[in-house]
Amino acid sequence: EVQLVESGGGLVQPGRSLRLSCTGSGFTFGDSGMSWVRQAPGKGLECVALITSIGSGGTIQYAASVRGRFSISRDDSGTIAYLQMNSLKTEDTAVYFCLKWTDGQSFGDHWGQGTLVTVSP
Amino acid sequence: DIQMTQSPSTLSASVGDRVSITCRASQSISSWLAWYQQKPGKAPKLMIYKASTLQSGVPSRFSGSGSGTEFTLTISSLQPDDFATYYCQQYQSYSTFGQGTKVEFK
Repeated sequence: EVQLVESGGGLVQPGRSLRLSCTGSGFTFGDSGMSWVRQAPGKGLECVALITSIGSGGTIQYAASVRGRFSISRDDSGTIAYLQMNSLKTEDTAVYFCLKWTDGQSFGDHWGQGTLVTVSP
Repeated sequence: DIQMTQSPSTLSASVGDRVSITCRASQSISSWLAWYQQKPGKAPKLMIYKASTLQSGVPSRFSGSGSGTEFTLTISSLQPDDFATYYCQQYQSYSTFGQGTKVEFK
């Protein structure tokens, strides 16, 4: 059974940093692209970062809203995807989901349960 | 970036109704479009991908159509479990979502 478990969320002050983790199991992690998608309270979905498999080049892309502040990475041996979030702003407050790509494309048939990040003074 | 626009934002319907949600892309995305269902406090659930391919386990009352810039999600006969928010997602270039359509009880 495919499972994705996010961790690392919490309450943080503006300007500080936080690192989220997404641990995958039940699939060949190294063969899968991964994405981080967030949802602010009462709002829609926003893909903030994605990374292809290393075999596909390990290509990384970011949303304009987080470029230069957030960094996505992966540890295939540990089956973990990370989202390093620096210089956090109050508008980064959201539930952050990770998802595994399907058929080499960045849509997801499996998502984690989400982890809440609250940025507040 | 490719922008995705869904309409309507809210749809009021009754059990048994046929409902349709539209998603428009700011440029052609061929058929690289997915639809998700989301219920409060839960992760999105994949319903359709490649514009019209039904995800395994999704009831056949759901269907998707379209290509290029205009797409439609149709529920042929709305069931109580279908009241939720639906999102489209393009995955041709990076990944962007529509703003969502809430299907609520009339």
